[in-house]
Amino acid sequence: DIQMTQSPSTLSASVGDRVTITCRASQSISSWLAWYQQKPGKAPKLLIYKASSLDSGVPSRFSGSGSGTEFTLTISSLQPDDFATYYCQHYTTFPVTFGGGTKVEIK
Amino acid sequence: EVQLVESGGGLVQPGRSLRLSCSAAGFTFGDFPMSWVRQSPGKGLEWVGVIRSKAYGWTTEYATSVRGRVTVSRDDSKSIAYLQMNSLKTEDTAVYYCTRDLGRLDSWGQGTLVIVSS
Repeated sequence: DIQMTQSPSTLSASVGDRVTITCRASQSISSWLAWYQQKPGKAPKLLIYKASSLDSGVPSRFSGSGSGTEFTLTISSLQPDDFATYYCQHYTTFPVTFGGGTKVEIK
Repeated sequence: EVQLVESGGGLVQPGRSLRLSCSAAGFTFGDFPMSWVRQSPGKGLEWVGVIRSKAYGWTTEYATSVRGRVTVSRDDSKSIAYLQMNSLKTEDTAVYYCTRDLGRLDSWGQGTLVIVSS
């Protein structure tokens, strides 16, 4: 199975900050990577797919980059609604696997 | 608008079975693979299994952790996906989500909670 490792596991930031989350795959997954946002008690929401494509309706302050084994999710200017947990997921082959999550907290 | 609604969760004893359902609306259900993902309390996301569409023979794939105990099926005439879980263990306690699977999981239900406890 391909292992997905996210860092950091927790991130403290302020409104307006630029935030970057990293996701590393244990082997190359080309660009077959998605990012999700999850708020407490809610289902995850797709933000980005194919490493850098923004899903419909997702604010442009979210962006993704990377290919192969290293990927990043960037929030250009953190908004109050962005405090949540973020997960990466590869979908190059089954079984698909998720990263352990990054919780973005208020500083 | 895509809608996915899970049902069938609850409290079940270890060793027993449970079948979860996922009712879909707002898209041509039969054209899409459907996956199940679970989340144990306070933990991360774990993919459980997928069923492909008729075009791909309704074939299935499963996570190693559940293979042999879990079956994903679907009824395209009713737009429902199912997750049959057998020989349940305490570690199967989780919220179970059904998702539309485009590789990326672009639509999620609200989840149904399964608690495995004696």
